[in-house]
Amino acid sequence: QVQLQESGPGLVKPSETLSLTCTVNGVPISGYYWSWIRQSPGKGLEWIGYISDSGSTNYNPSLKSRLTISVDTSKNQFSLHLTSVTTADTAVYYCAGRGRRQCNNWGQGTLVTVSS
Amino acid sequence: DIQMTQSPSSLSASVGDRVTITCRASQSISSYSNWYQQHPGKAPKLLIAAASALQSEVPSRFSGGGSGTDFTLTISSLQPEDFATYYCQQTYTTPYTFGQGTKLEIK
Repeated sequence: QVQLQESGPGLVKPSETLSLTCTVNGVPISGYYWSWIRQSPGKGLEWIGYISDSGSTNYNPSLKSRLTISVDTSKNQFSLHLTSVTTADTAVYYCAGRGRRQCNNWGQGTLVTVSS
Repeated sequence: DIQMTQSPSSLSASVGDRVTITCRASQSISSYSNWYQQHPGKAPKLLIAAASALQSEVPSRFSGGGSGTDFTLTISSLQPEDFATYYCQQTYTTPYTFGQGTKLEIK
């Protein structure tokens, strides 16, 4: 059974960096693609980007200048770092993965609030 | 970016009804369309990939179709657990984009 679990601070101050980690259990990170998606309160879904097991990334251009997604195959984890956050970055952040073109498995999501 | 437009935005139906949700892409996306179901407070769940590929453990009352710019998600006989919000997504080109969602409510 594949399980993903997000971890990281639930509160980030404006202008600081939002950092989240996703731990994958039940399947090796190798051989698959791993994504981050977010959902602002009461809003729809926004694709943030993905990373392959080899470290190849593809980012949403709207976030690209502030975004880094990385992978640690030894820990079966991947991470998101978003710099210079504003209140507009307040959202539930989901990690997800498996295929490059579809997210077969999802974490439960973690709410990150940007506030001073 | 490719825009995905779902219709309707909300839908009231009864248990046992057949419902169809449509999604239109702003340009051709071949068959690179997925459908997700989301219950309140939960993560989305992949139902259909590549326009029509039903995912394992998803009930057969769900089906997907279409290609090019027009796609459909059909539920043949609504069950109580199907009342949720449904999203289409294009993965033809990045940035991948989602429709705005269709909220399926009990009549």
